[in-house]
Amino acid sequence: NAGVTQTPKFRILKIGQSMTLQCTQDMNHNYMYWYRQDPGMGLKLIYYSVGAGITDKGEVPNGYNVSRSTTEDFPLRLELAAPSQTSVYFCASSRSEGYGYTFGSGTRLTVV
Amino acid sequence: QQQVKQSPQSLIVQKGGIPIINCAYENTAFDYFPWYQQFPGKGPALLIAIRPDVSEKKEGRFTISFNKSAKQFSLHIMDSQPGDSATYFCAASNHGNQFYFGTGTSLTVIP
Repeated sequence: NAGVTQTPKFRILKIGQSMTLQCTQDMNHNYMYWYRQDPGMGLKLIYYSVGAGITDKGEVPNGYNVSRSTTEDFPLRLELAAPSQTSVYFCASSRSEGYGYTFGSGTRLTVV
Repeated sequence: QQQVKQSPQSLIVQKGGIPIINCAYENTAFDYFPWYQQFPGKGPALLIAIRPDVSEKKEGRFTISFNKSAKQFSLHIMDSQPGDSATYFCAASNHGNQFYFGTGTSLTVIP
């Protein structure tokens, strides 16, 4: 049972480039989330989804896009990378509201 | 605006000591309060959680104390071990759709 799998683990982007961070879960969870973690700032919610075809913005959505075409997958898209998007990105899932998350191992992104 | 305020930022204790990490919140609609443990290079892992209808919850060496009137909750680690050295995050949610995290506490347990 893999849980939540994120790829890639590390990536360096140049300013203005685009990329997609992949996230897949095998627990049949309806709820999925994308967070970014910056030193001393905790985790901030970027986007979340309560089921296939449904997405919504979190606290810090600017510069990102998501889609949820299947229950398993929840990719995060960066269209025009900026240095402010240098961070560690975590994908998470939960079986329903009011329950704790299962997190992936993270993607460390550097924009130069 | 930080929805959940966590302190201290870092903590060093001797093996066997009882580190205490505190969190405070303002939104009285929050109804679920989990704690997460994160080791370097890993994602956070759910450690223990509490709902506001109880004042204390224990799981092994980890205890959450919850004070609804003061809008505060804390994590106590009994008989701490070097393997407990990690970063701990508190969080709060309103019906679970969005969790608000504290800024984290880096715990070091000295052998």
